[in-house]
Amino acid sequence: QQKVQQSPESLTVSEGAMASLNCTFSDRSSDNFRWYRQHSGKGLEVLVSIFSDGEKEEGSFTAHLNRASLHVFLHIREPQPSDSALYLCAVSRGTGSKLSFGKGAKLTVSP
Amino acid sequence: DMKVTQMPRYLIKRMGENVLLECGQDMSHETMYWYRQDPGLGLQLIYISYDVDSNSEGDIPKGYRVSRKKREHFSLILDSAKTNQTSVYFCASSPGTAQDTQYFGPGTRLLVL
Repeated sequence: QQKVQQSPESLTVSEGAMASLNCTFSDRSSDNFRWYRQHSGKGLEVLVSIFSDGEKEEGSFTAHLNRASLHVFLHIREPQPSDSALYLCAVSRGTGSKLSFGKGAKLTVSP
Repeated sequence: DMKVTQMPRYLIKRMGENVLLECGQDMSHETMYWYRQDPGLGLQLIYISYDVDSNSEGDIPKGYRVSRKKREHFSLILDSAKTNQTSVYFCASSPGTAQDTQYFGPGTRLLVL
């Protein structure tokens, strides 16, 4: 069964400083990776999806996938206090419908 | 604007009572999901529905059942709720499979006393 782990569990950065989050997955055949953001008490919103090795940028969010090393990263450029939230990595494989989520990383952006 | 709605948003029930959580989507998505989210455990998949009356167990289906009689509605039912079912429940929908983006509702906070 797919294992998805995120690190760090929590991160505090200053406003405007780059924030980087890491997600490690266990199934090398995985081919579908998404980063979601969840503000406190709210639902999940998708930030960026990536399906092949390399980088994918969506606004201030960049996902970086390296399947050989079983890592997918999220970089947040010039984060604002409003970006303070829980960030979740989600991974799936093939045409099956099950998405495996990490436990999340809590990002705090201080003014 | 794509939208997934959940009702109610907050619910308090006593142990042994029945619980009905409702989810709706206005995107004609085929696939719908129910998850629960608990601190330290992350999101866990309870059930998937591939279309009307086409439901499949997720990773933690015990104690839950679902109903999907219309494509736009997906219900989660707890028969005789237990205190360990206190959680935040999220519904999601996607056009097809997990290859497509899943869109999430705002969640239902359930407290079982």
